[in-house]
Amino acid sequence: QQQVKQSPQSLIVQKGGISIINCAYENTAFDYFPWYQQFPGKGPALLIAIRPDVSEKKEGRFTISFNKSAKQFSLHIMDSQPGDSATYFCAASRDNQGGKLIFGQGTELSVKP
Amino acid sequence: DTGVSQNPRHKITKRGQNVTFRCDPISEHNRLYWYRQTLGQGPEFLTYFQNEAQLEKSRLLSDRFSAERPKGSFSTLEIQRTEQGDSAMYLCASSFHRDRGRGQPQHFGDGTRLSIL
Repeated sequence: QQQVKQSPQSLIVQKGGISIINCAYENTAFDYFPWYQQFPGKGPALLIAIRPDVSEKKEGRFTISFNKSAKQFSLHIMDSQPGDSATYFCAASRDNQGGKLIFGQGTELSVKP
Repeated sequence: DTGVSQNPRHKITKRGQNVTFRCDPISEHNRLYWYRQTLGQGPEFLTYFQNEAQLEKSRLLSDRFSAERPKGSFSTLEIQRTEQGDSAMYLCASSFHRDRGRGQPQHFGDGTRLSIL
């Protein structure tokens, strides 16, 4: 049962470009949507998160866009840098279910110099 | 804030052996989660604790798996009679939860990579 679907599976972007990763969810009861960044051999690190009461959240070069009616949310990385090359995971959770995270399948981002 | 610490970082064992992993959460965090991540996939939820109480276990957690958090601080995850399919990265995360409050971000450790020979 795939509750959070993520695309694309891999992404190649030129340095300075915009990286866009999309996620779609099924359960309308989800109320917290974080994005994590993971480097090889490391655990996921929280990048940015959003709740359904706002449609956009920006932190530095990272922006989440949230479309509640379409049950979709996306991560935009502006001015992408080679150091951003990593695997990105979207996730969703419900506060009243202990906050366990349901992750997407991941997107491997490669930023070319 | 020293972050979530997991030990060992790597474990290689023969099929059929028992293994135990340890997780030390961020000190003020009352919730602790275990996830499993296989190559090329996102982490999958296994179980979580609030203080010392284990509040939920995934169906992924077979009878061979057991987790404890005896004093509400560190936690251990034990796998008995390991199988080839248990090979994965086992991740621990922690967060702080206030009753009737919104959930807080989960912070992950760097995991224990288990390889079954």
